[in-house]
Amino acid sequence: AQSVTQLGSHVSVSEGALVLLRCNYSSSVPPYLFWYVQYPNQGLQLLLKYTSAATLVKGINGFEAEFKKSETSFHLTKPSAHMSDAAEYFCAVSRTSSSASKIIFGSGTRLSIRP
Amino acid sequence: ETGVTQSPTHLIKTRGQQVTLRCSSQSGHNTVSWYQQALGQGPQFIFQYYREEENGRGNFPPRFSGLQFPNYSSELNVNALELDDSALYLCASSPGQLTDTQYFGPGTRLTVL
Repeated sequence: AQSVTQLGSHVSVSEGALVLLRCNYSSSVPPYLFWYVQYPNQGLQLLLKYTSAATLVKGINGFEAEFKKSETSFHLTKPSAHMSDAAEYFCAVSRTSSSASKIIFGSGTRLSIRP
Repeated sequence: ETGVTQSPTHLIKTRGQQVTLRCSSQSGHNTVSWYQQALGQGPQFIFQYYREEENGRGNFPPRFSGLQFPNYSSELNVNALELDDSALYLCASSPGQLTDTQYFGPGTRLTVL
């Protein structure tokens, strides 16, 4: 069964510092992996997705994630944090049956940015 | 291109009542999925509709039901509301039933008192 685990429910970094949000996946087949961002009182916005075309995936707002099969990881990074990056981040995996595709989400990591 | 829209934004109901939430898909998308996001948790899959038929369901009781219309808009109906139904309900659309990428609306915040 496919699932994701996000390590750390809350991460706090200083403005300008490196952002690293951790995600490990469990999948018996090559997974489709996603990172979504949720700003306060809003829906989910797709940051980036991995579909096996390339192990380093670049997304919006300067974020990127690297798929590491040997570590079953898909960590999200950004070289320099901005105050506007403060939000909840969800790692997710797609589970597709013969008739439907659904997304399985991790529990989320809240990112806080210190001035 | 219009994104996914949901209505209403907020809703307050009491236990035992029924509620209907609405979703308009992104243009060109024929598949709609609904998710429940309880406070402090990740979204949980409720069900998916493709061309007006339910084609996948998560671990939710039958009092959670849905409809999809010919224009691919959708409704989520919840009967006999319980306190634990209080959550953000998210609708997501995609261009196909087996398409992995889904695009989410802003959600409807339901409070059950």
